[in-house]
Amino acid sequence: EAQVTQNPRYLITVTGKKLTVTCSQNMNHEYMSWYRQDPGLGLRQIYYSMNVEVTDKGDVPEGYKVSRKEKRNFPLILESPSPNQTSLYFCASSFSGTGVYGYTFGSGTRLTVV
Amino acid sequence: AQSVAQPEDQVNVAEGNPLTVKCTYSVSGNPYLFWYVQYPNRGLQFLLKYITGDNLVKGSYGFEAEFNKSQTSFHLKKPSALVSDSALYFCAVRDSGAGSYQLTFGKGTKLSVIP
Repeated sequence: EAQVTQNPRYLITVTGKKLTVTCSQNMNHEYMSWYRQDPGLGLRQIYYSMNVEVTDKGDVPEGYKVSRKEKRNFPLILESPSPNQTSLYFCASSFSGTGVYGYTFGSGTRLTVV
Repeated sequence: AQSVAQPEDQVNVAEGNPLTVKCTYSVSGNPYLFWYVQYPNRGLQFLLKYITGDNLVKGSYGFEAEFNKSQTSFHLKKPSALVSDSALYFCAVRDSGAGSYQLTFGKGTKLSVIP
């Protein structure tokens, strides 16, 4: 089944403790992206990747890092999480970044930073 | 800069009645427009898109949307609402002429279909 898989689905952590949210897709998509969803703010893009070793900042990149060493994986790294990063996170992928194709989204990771 | 607005936080409609979820956009070039739906505790699912061609676009689950360039709108419609259509709906836009490949989402509209 074609899908985007995120792990974990739920995570509670403490301020300052480094964490990684994994994202993997099995569709050989070139484009991958991370979004956060907050009430009243919709989805905001954190980082995106056009292909392996090609990443760029989205609208809200502060406090996050990403890497794209393999085509299928696009982990989101929070080096020192803070409470304002409590949010629902989605990974998405697309055949290309041209925007012509729709995105496939993962099921989400609900992160709570205390 | 590209932007998208969903003017209604919530839309309530009776089962069997037609539904409309509104979306307006702003881009400097030509728009690529999308609708996504999010069910509780799920990721977003693609419904339909407008890239070019016919202004009326048909998508999944009986939904359709009409691209109106003069009004810069892309409203989502369905002739007869089902209770199972109750969900959060997002409109998204990308400026085809922009240098970046960002897809900008609206804040979402919660649709409640009342039995």
